[in-house]
Amino acid sequence: AQTVTQSQPEMSVQEAETVTLSCTYDTSENNYYLFWYKQPPSRQMILVIRQEAYKQQNATENRFSVNFQKAAKSFSLKISDSQLGDTAMYFCAFMKHGPVARAQKLVFGQGTRLTINP
Amino acid sequence: DTAVSQTPKYLVTQMGNDKSIKCEQNLGHDTMYWYKQDSKKFLKIMFSYNNKELIINETVPNRFSPKSPDKAHLNLHINSLELGDSAVYFCASSQVRGKLFFGSGTQLSVL
Repeated sequence: AQTVTQSQPEMSVQEAETVTLSCTYDTSENNYYLFWYKQPPSRQMILVIRQEAYKQQNATENRFSVNFQKAAKSFSLKISDSQLGDTAMYFCAFMKHGPVARAQKLVFGQGTRLTINP
Repeated sequence: DTAVSQTPKYLVTQMGNDKSIKCEQNLGHDTMYWYKQDSKKFLKIMFSYNNKELIINETVPNRFSPKSPDKAHLNLHINSLELGDSAVYFCASSQVRGKLFFGSGTQLSVL
């Protein structure tokens, strides 16, 4: 079974700083997907970024980028120029590739509570 | 228009009662899910449906029964509620692997 570990329960930075959230995972699969989801105080889960394991290039979405290290099974999220609206719980998640797309499920880490201070 | 809407947002009830949570998506997605988030914020899949067919049933007590009347709707009925069922329940839909659109959650409190 796959597991996802986020070792930082809480982090806090000043506005405009850069912050990196850590995530490691355990799998015997070779082909899979990794994700970062954000859950702001409004409670709704929002996809931040998606990485396909077969792609060596790290995914980026505006101020959000990842450092994907497949051999180390590490998938960290970097938020540049952090903003007050980035305050949220951040969840790392894993999904097997699998032959049947609809039968795959997201496995989440425990989450990191990120606070951006003014 | 809300993409994935679930009702109610809050549900407070007594132990032993039966309750339902409704979910609707207007994104045209084929796959819908129920996830449970416990008090420590841990998220775990409960069920997934694809075009009204149950695909994933993740060792959930059979007091929980999902029902999908059509591919845009996935409801969750819970019988004989227990204290341990208190959690936030999220509905979600997807068309692309792992790219889920979540509802805003239903906070269930069992007293």
